[in-house]
Amino acid sequence: AQSVTQLGSHVSVSEGALVLLRCNYSSSVPPYLFWYVQYPNQGLQLLLKYTTGATLVKGINGFEAEFKKSETSFHLTKPSAHMSDAAEYFCAVPSGAGGTSYGKLTFGQGTILTVHP
Amino acid sequence: EAGVAQSPRYKIIEKRQSVAFWCNPISGHATLYWYQQILGQGPKLLIQFQNNGVVDDSQLPKDRFSAERLKGVDSTLKIQPAKLEDSAVYLCASSLNHFSGTGRYEQYFGPGTRLTVT
Repeated sequence: AQSVTQLGSHVSVSEGALVLLRCNYSSSVPPYLFWYVQYPNQGLQLLLKYTTGATLVKGINGFEAEFKKSETSFHLTKPSAHMSDAAEYFCAVPSGAGGTSYGKLTFGQGTILTVHP
Repeated sequence: EAGVAQSPRYKIIEKRQSVAFWCNPISGHATLYWYQQILGQGPKLLIQFQNNGVVDDSQLPKDRFSAERLKGVDSTLKIQPAKLEDSAVYLCASSLNHFSGTGRYEQYFGPGTRLTVT
């Protein structure tokens, strides 16, 4: 079964600093990859997704992620953090191999991003 | 477009009591998911519906949890009797369908119900 590992349960940055949230996946085939964001007391929201094609994916709110097959990574970045970026971020992959997951996702354990003024 | 609605937002019960959660997905979304999110962890799928049929309930503790989606729209998740370890946020999500295309992974989440079992 595919899985994801998020390195670092908490990341703290200053406002204006680079944001880097790490995600590694385990898969023998190029997967679909997703980042979801969860603001306090809210449900998850899709931030960006990689399916096929360009390996650098742009999402909402200035976030982007790069799919690196050689490193089995899909790290999330943002050049300049804003206070409103404070949230929990989840990396996710389809649960089954190939097309068998029927929409099911396996989520990482999450990374809480704190932004200091 | 209205989002996924859930109620109640918060619930506190004692162990061995029963509780029910309600979810109304986005209009037209055939697939509905219930997730359990324990503090410090990512969401874990409990059950997945396509219209009013169950696609996957392999992770649902069926001795105490049940869920239904009778008319293919609203859904309820019930716990009876509750245990301390059921304390979590219960998230409902929906998507257009789960059959094909990458859109099947674009799930829209409700705000969740935070359950505390004492």
